[in-house]
Amino acid sequence: GAGVSQSPRYKVTKRGQDVALRCDPISGHVSLYWYRQALGQGPEFLTYFNYEAQQDKSGLPNDRFSAERPEGSISTLTIQRTEQRDSAMYRCASSYLAGGPPGELFFGEGSRLTVL
Amino acid sequence: GQQLNQSPQSMFIQEGEDVSMNCTSSSIFNTWLWYKQDPGEGPVLLIALYKAGELTSNGRLTAQFGITRKDSFLNISASIPSDVGIYFCAGRSVGNQFYFGTGTSLTVIP
Repeated sequence: GAGVSQSPRYKVTKRGQDVALRCDPISGHVSLYWYRQALGQGPEFLTYFNYEAQQDKSGLPNDRFSAERPEGSISTLTIQRTEQRDSAMYRCASSYLAGGPPGELFFGEGSRLTVL
Repeated sequence: GQQLNQSPQSMFIQEGEDVSMNCTSSSIFNTWLWYKQDPGEGPVLLIALYKAGELTSNGRLTAQFGITRKDSFLNISASIPSDVGIYFCAGRSVGNQFYFGTGTSLTVIP
C-alpha cells in the first residue's frame, strides 16, 4: 500500500477483554515496529520484526502482550485480559531495509485503545 | 523502555525567530532521526543523519549528529506558523531498535 495502515483506528473495550490491533506496512518494507504512545510522550518501543521473525520483544510490558507477523507482511499486536493502564495510542511503523540505510521509520495513523 | 532526553520540553517563539533543540542519550546510536508530529497524526520524518559529525540541511531545518554518537541537535530557522507541533528525536541502536525522545512542543506566535 501507499502508506502504513492500521486498524481499527479506535477501539473501546471493557477491562478483561482481549484486543487485536492490525498493521499493514508499506509494501516491500522488511522491518515492522510496534510502539505505544501516551499523550504528550514520545513513542515507546514495544517490539519489532524483520520479515516474519520477531527480533526483539524486550519492550512488551508483560506477557499479556504479544505480536506476530506470520507471513512477513501484516502484523497483529494482541493484548489479552486488557487493563485500564493499557489505554494508549498504539502505533505501527515500517522500514525498508533491515538494519541498513536509509534506516527511516514510516508511521501509521495509530490505533487508539480505550479500556473501560 | 529507553527514552532519550530531549530539551527544551516546550518553546514559545515569535514568527521569524530561530529555534534550537537537542537530544542526548546514554547509549551510542548509528542513526539519528528527527520527526514532527501534528495533533492526531503519526510522526513524520524530517531529517536523517547517518555518520558521527554529519551536518545535514533540509530547507530551513539543519541537524547534526554528535561526534560522540550520543547526541544530536535540530535547528529551525525563520520559523513560520506551520512549524507548530511536537518534535521528536529518535536514535537507532546497533540492535536496530529505534528509541524516541521525550519531545519538544513548539508554539509559534504570529
